[in-house]
Amino acid sequence: SYELTQSPSVSVSPGQTARITCFADALPKKYAYWYQQKPGQAPVLVIYKDSERPSGIPARFSGSSSGTTVTLTITGVQAEDEADYYCQTADTGGTYPVIFGGGTKLTVL
Amino acid sequence: QVQLQESGPGLVKPSETLSLTCSVSGYSITSGYYWGWIRQPPGKGLEWVGSMYHSGSTYYNPSLKSRVTISLDTSKNQFSLRLRSVTAADTAVYYCARHSRDCSGGACYFTPFDYWGQGTLVTVSS
Repeated sequence: SYELTQSPSVSVSPGQTARITCFADALPKKYAYWYQQKPGQAPVLVIYKDSERPSGIPARFSGSSSGTTVTLTITGVQAEDEADYYCQTADTGGTYPVIFGGGTKLTVL
Repeated sequence: QVQLQESGPGLVKPSETLSLTCSVSGYSITSGYYWGWIRQPPGKGLEWVGSMYHSGSTYYNPSLKSRVTISLDTSKNQFSLRLRSVTAADTAVYYCARHSRDCSGGACYFTPFDYWGQGTLVTVSS
């Protein structure tokens, strides 16, 4: 089966830069998306098409893609950014049309 | 403003069928978009269950395909999930959500989920 691998946790101090990575093994990936999920809430889309931000998402959130690795970067982390972050890929191959990564817990120290 | 709201039993017995409904307001489910279900076991990550278009086109998670049916009720602007032969492993918060499918570049792919319901916890237990 196909998998997206995320590191379980990332910890940073306020004002620092957090980088959350997602490794996609051998997938005909078209794009990656990133969601933020706070406790007891539904996920919220923060990045689409690898690096695009939906309206209303702060500019400190950015995304990038290189080969089979996609990265969510939060520059100048704030306490309110503490949450779980999930990557999702858009698979053009058809076998696994929607895949989520296992999630990364971002802790703001 | 598009809003989605899940409803259904919070407790299902093992081997029975889990049935949930998602009521959509602010947008007609026949106007486009795929309508999907995502679940999240307590303390774990997100798992896509499946999605359906109003034309009847459906996509299911290969690991759940043999037990899942998604259907639309256009008269009520709702869509539903049925998951058969449930076990404790199916205990999860179930979300309904909206996304689309882009085929403009030749190879088709799903766009991200842009609107989500608040989620409903379904526990499988006797």
